[in-house]
Amino acid sequence: DAGVIQSPRHEVTEMGQEVTLRCKPISGHNSLFWYRQTMMRGLELLIYFNNNVPIDDSGMPEDRFSAKMPNASFSTLKIQPSEPRDSAVYFCASTGTGTGGYEQYFGPGTRLTVT
Amino acid sequence: SQKIEQNSEALNIQEGKTATLTCNYTNYSPAYLQWYRQDPGRGPVFLLLIRENEKEKRKERLKVTFDTTLKQSLFHITASQPADSATYLCALGDNKLIFGAGTRLAVHP
Repeated sequence: DAGVIQSPRHEVTEMGQEVTLRCKPISGHNSLFWYRQTMMRGLELLIYFNNNVPIDDSGMPEDRFSAKMPNASFSTLKIQPSEPRDSAVYFCASTGTGTGGYEQYFGPGTRLTVT
Repeated sequence: SQKIEQNSEALNIQEGKTATLTCNYTNYSPAYLQWYRQDPGRGPVFLLLIRENEKEKRKERLKVTFDTTLKQSLFHITASQPADSATYLCALGDNKLIFGAGTRLAVHP
């Protein structure tokens, strides 16, 4: 299996622009998670889906952030408009039945820089 | 609010020694506790999961303990190697994980 796939790996954009991050979970996993990691705040859960349905979005910082999961193999995290304080590494992770528990498998991350 | 504390200072040890990392938590009674490894520029990688009714779990050179009374987990790497150098993250919960800030381990030859 290719593991969790994220794109782009790096994104540099100007303040006010729309940013879309993409994730393809491991085939067969039914839960998908979006995290943000910064030096100041560490690794924070933004939102998670179970069977394509958003279960908990309490970590989404503002209305500028939105996430969708239109099918079991694809999810997006959108920031509109982006701000410099959104600069961070964004990780997608997945898990599901058959993994033996609740261990999560992370993608390589998208490093976002907003100037 | 729930809080997880890991040593913010890096842990430096000599190759071959046992590394011990600590995870303390407050205002939480998790059913599960997990440990992940993160290398620079990469996503966290799952290492071990321990349940609240398990005192200890082992996997090869790794050992995790979970003391729900002390609200503490210890993570041990025996016969450490330079390749074990990384940041180790503690995480609490089941589906919704709360991560600690991580402890950086450096194993010197």
